[in-house]
Amino acid sequence: DQQVKQNSPSLSVQEGRISILNCDYTNSMFDYFLWYKKYPAEGPTFLISISSIKDKNEDGRFTVFLNKSAKHLSLHIVPSQPGDSAVYFCAASVGSGTYKYIFGTGTRLKVLA
Amino acid sequence: NAGVTQTPKFQVLKTGQSMTLQCAQDMNHEYMSWYRQDPGMGLRLIHYSVGAGITDQGEVPNGYNVSRSTTEDFPLRLLSAAPSQTSVYFCASRPGQGRGSGKNIQYFGAGTRLSVL
Repeated sequence: DQQVKQNSPSLSVQEGRISILNCDYTNSMFDYFLWYKKYPAEGPTFLISISSIKDKNEDGRFTVFLNKSAKHLSLHIVPSQPGDSAVYFCAASVGSGTYKYIFGTGTRLKVLA
Repeated sequence: NAGVTQTPKFQVLKTGQSMTLQCAQDMNHEYMSWYRQDPGMGLRLIHYSVGAGITDQGEVPNGYNVSRSTTEDFPLRLLSAAPSQTSVYFCASRPGQGRGSGKNIQYFGAGTRLSVL
């Protein structure tokens, strides 16, 4: 039972345009969400997070939106750059202080120059 | 600034062999975890530790043992390797609760790619 789903395995976007990566979850107890970015042969690195008390969190070119009623979150990257090409994982947890995160399967983003 | 260091980077085992994947962190983090990543699946938690001497099972613990004798090290042991354990293994660490603004961020090692024949 996949509690966190990233239904798009891959996405291609032109440089300078917006990239939108989506993530759906089924467990209504999840209240903290994170996005990680992973380059080949490296470990995932933290990108941005959001608590369920918010519906938006912004950090530079990266914005995460949370729609609790739809159990959906999305990561927007504007403008997209070739260096953003990577696999993006969303993760969810119950509480922000936990060590138990449920990860999605990842979306491979390719930004075309 | 080393962060989380995993060794080896690659390993090939025969079925039934045993080995230990090493993980060390130099950030004085209390929490450490082991994940495996398989095609078409997200990272799945194998075992975790909230401090030296304290470990517990995650989602997929069968076939793996861990121990945490120091804050820095969290080795993962495969006692009798099976082809189903072919995967990429990631170790992660994070500060414990209440340890500053970065307390919710896990830091990952570069991974160990394991093949069991």
